Amino acid sequence: DTAVSQTPKYLVTQMGNDKSIKCEQNLGHDTMYWYKQDSKKFLKIMFSYNNKELIINETVPNRFSPKSPDKAHLNLHINSLELGDSAVYFCASSHTGANQPQHFGDGTRLSIL
Amino acid sequence: AQKVTQAQTEISVVEKEDVTLDCVYETRDTTYYLFWYKQPPSGELVFLIRRNSFDEQNEISGRYSWNFQKSTSSFNFTITASQVVDSAVYFCALSEDETSYDKVIFGPGTSLSVIP
Repeated sequence: DTAVSQTPKYLVTQMGNDKSIKCEQNLGHDTMYWYKQDSKKFLKIMFSYNNKELIINETVPNRFSPKSPDKAHLNLHINSLELGDSAVYFCASSHTGANQPQHFGDGTRLSIL
Repeated sequence: AQKVTQAQTEISVVEKEDVTLDCVYETRDTTYYLFWYKQPPSGELVFLIRRNSFDEQNEISGRYSWNFQKSTSSFNFTITASQVVDSAVYFCALSEDETSYDKVIFGPGTSLSVIP
């Protein structure tokens, strides 16, 4: 009965590789998000999708490409991984509206060697 | 522009002490929403509370209480009789109602350690 699930939980890979993180929510939410949390715990929005449409893109490098096949899924593909991409990536979802709390996945810890 | 400040980077308290986590925000909107989230050592982010800008009533939930004051743009969080399980990073967050596309700005977080 997991609400927001993201896979994998850990991702260790070499610089220059391409990798994907998957996210699925079973809460019936219309909006999904990707956040990056750096080593100092700062949480920064990367992307937001509402009903499969991109609505927030926070000056993230083009190497990051989100894809939402349906409103229950929001995947994140990263090309040409760099050392600075090492972080914890969180997927979240919510009902539409600024007053709606977000429900987070457990995070994916990405480590670039 | 939106901004959330949590001036306390790290706090340590002894179990059973009361502790207040400060949050100060900036916004130009008249309608906005404030949130607190908890991130325990296990890493997940858990929603704790939401407050609307037009409702300044303070809230209490068990050992947790929240003090919202528009006059000082603050939304502080108090834990009474702290317990070791309260050890976590706590984030205050803000979203605005007008053309923010549901964007939430998180503060930098306060790391709370409760020592037994």
